[in-house]
Amino acid sequence: EVQLVESGGGLVQPGGSLRLSCAASGFTFSTYWMHWVRQAPGKGLVWVSRINSDGSSTSYADSVKGRFTISRDNAKNTLYLQMNSLRAEDTAVYYCARARITGATWVYWGQGTLVTVSS
Amino acid sequence: NFMLTQPHSVSESPGKTVTISCTGSSGSIATNYVQWYQQRPGSAPTTVIYEDNQRPSGVPDRFSGSIDSSSNSASLTISGLKTEDEADYYCQSHDNSNWVFGGGTKLTVL
Repeated sequence: EVQLVESGGGLVQPGGSLRLSCAASGFTFSTYWMHWVRQAPGKGLVWVSRINSDGSSTSYADSVKGRFTISRDNAKNTLYLQMNSLRAEDTAVYYCARARITGATWVYWGQGTLVTVSS
Repeated sequence: NFMLTQPHSVSESPGKTVTISCTGSSGSIATNYVQWYQQRPGSAPTTVIYEDNQRPSGVPDRFSGSIDSSSNSASLTISGLKTEDEADYYCQSHDNSNWVFGGGTKLTVL
């Protein structure tokens, strides 16, 4: 069974940092691209970042570029999101998601972890 | 930048059929696959349609997806509506290798 379990969320002051983790199990983690998606309270889903299967290629939404860093450790089956210079508008539930493979599988989502940026 | 537009809300009665649209802003929506996600209150999203019209295992065949190139839109159709289908639905496609989401549609089954 595919499982994605996020952790690391919490309350942080503006300007602070936080590192989110996403522990993957039930599939060959090193085969899949991975994404982070966030959802502000009462709002829709917004794509944040993605990383390819071996970690050599990453991409970011303009709103987080230069502040967030996505990475992965395929030996530990874990995805990360390092978030620096946090702002109030970064307050959201952060989901990790496993990308689909064309013709084979669909997107799986974790349960999310809440990040609150407030003084 | 590529954008996807969905109606803010739709409502229908149990047992009826509802269709939710997702319109692409530019280019052809048929260029990249469209996915649909269901999100019930307080829960994470789950996939109900992937690659335009494929259903994951466990998703009932009451859910179907299609592409209409003439209107540059994708559609999610849910037939035989049940109260458990009440949720937010999001379409998703790609802009290069990045994901793009529609704004979401709140489905009310009343």
